[in-house]
Amino acid sequence: EPEVTQTPSHQVTQMGQEVILRCVPISNHLYFYWYRQILGQKVEFLVSFYNNEISEKSEIFDDQFSVERPDGSNFTLKIRSTKLEDSAMYFCASSPRTSGEKNIQYFGAGTRLSVL
Amino acid sequence: GEDVEQSLFLSVREGDSSVINCTYTDSSSTYLYWYKQEPGAGLQLLTYIFSNMDMKQDQRLTVLLNKKDKHLSLRIADTQTGDSAIYFCAVDGRRVGTGFQKLVFGTGTRLLVSP
Repeated sequence: EPEVTQTPSHQVTQMGQEVILRCVPISNHLYFYWYRQILGQKVEFLVSFYNNEISEKSEIFDDQFSVERPDGSNFTLKIRSTKLEDSAMYFCASSPRTSGEKNIQYFGAGTRLSVL
Repeated sequence: GEDVEQSLFLSVREGDSSVINCTYTDSSSTYLYWYKQEPGAGLQLLTYIFSNMDMKQDQRLTVLLNKKDKHLSLRIADTQTGDSAIYFCAVDGRRVGTGFQKLVFGTGTRLLVSP
């Protein structure tokens, strides 16, 4: 069964460093998303991406964050200068389209980011 | 903005039914979802219900939607130890006209099934 894959499963970094979290969405999907879950808190929406541009972003997604689809398969989230409060589980999701019965988001296993 | 609330913890015995409850605030939500998260794993879509339905059954899972009270529940019949996980309620935060959908999640309910 097709699935969303994320790498790495755990990323440890020093405060101020740049990190890139990688995702391979399901191949025929058109919409891509990043969410994060700080330990003990809710899963929060960060950004959505369609047709090579951001469709929507939350307040959390400030100038330190960027997303990119560098090729036909990967979808990346970059944090330019990590802060301690960026430590969280980051989930990538993809969906075929945003209306109708196929309006379902499929999630990857997540990347745990630890900022020291 | 949209808010989704769930109880944090539920403990049941194997073979019993489990009922996980969720309340939400945005009455315009179109789709409502239940995701399951096992330790170390991602968010697995269990089932979903369209807002014009009251009930949806899928094998051991029954979803009930009360739109008037903005209440969603997930019933798991004959609960097994393998059902132990965190269950997340989520609703779509669709904005009219954009066609864009983001999901708004509850805190998750940790289900513990004892033998």
